[in-house]
Amino acid sequence: GIQVEQSPPDLILQEGANSTLRCNFSDSVNNLQWFHQNPWGQLINLFYIPSGTKQNGRLSATTVATERYSLLYISSSQTTDSGVYFCAVVGNSGNTPLVFGKGTRLSVIA
Amino acid sequence: DTGVSQDPRHKITKRGQNVTFRCDPISEHNRLYWYRQTLGQGPEFLTYFQNEAQLEKSRLLSDRFSAERPKGSFSTLEIQRTEQGDSAMYLCASSLGRIPYNEQFFGPGTRLTVL
Repeated sequence: GIQVEQSPPDLILQEGANSTLRCNFSDSVNNLQWFHQNPWGQLINLFYIPSGTKQNGRLSATTVATERYSLLYISSSQTTDSGVYFCAVVGNSGNTPLVFGKGTRLSVIA
Repeated sequence: DTGVSQDPRHKITKRGQNVTFRCDPISEHNRLYWYRQTLGQGPEFLTYFQNEAQLEKSRLLSDRFSAERPKGSFSTLEIQRTEQGDSAMYLCASSLGRIPYNEQFFGPGTRLTVL
């Protein structure tokens, strides 16, 4: 099945710093989502981005489907950005569930 | 409609007992998914429904696990004869199920602890 790799596994930032999280996937996809998992375990949808670029406030994401990667940018980080960020994909058959990466654990310190 | 809901949020049980979890999807969504997440890992797929039909089951779903979605609305996940290895967060998600509108939305999860 499709493989998803995220990097880095852990990231520590000073408040106000910028960061880039990467997601590589092994096959063509028709769905790619970025999530933020908060300390209570809730998965919060950040982006639905099988291709192209989207922005939402301090966050933006770019997926280059032909090269099989996606990037999540966090600018001017805040302590509330702390948590685990997951990338998840659905392969091109379209009838499969999300396959998740192992996540990037982000800690933003004041 | 405020999103996917799950009940209970926490469940502590003794090994060997049966437990049942409930998921209510977003009302217009016809696809419903169950995932399991253990500490330090990403969620892993268990099973999913298109309306009331169970279309796929993961090899993670042993014969002690059963899921239903009897009227194509809410779903239940039952674990029989629980084992300590079943301790995990059980997540439910739903989607419209139509490409390209197949974004999945997750509930808050049920955290199971088996003693």
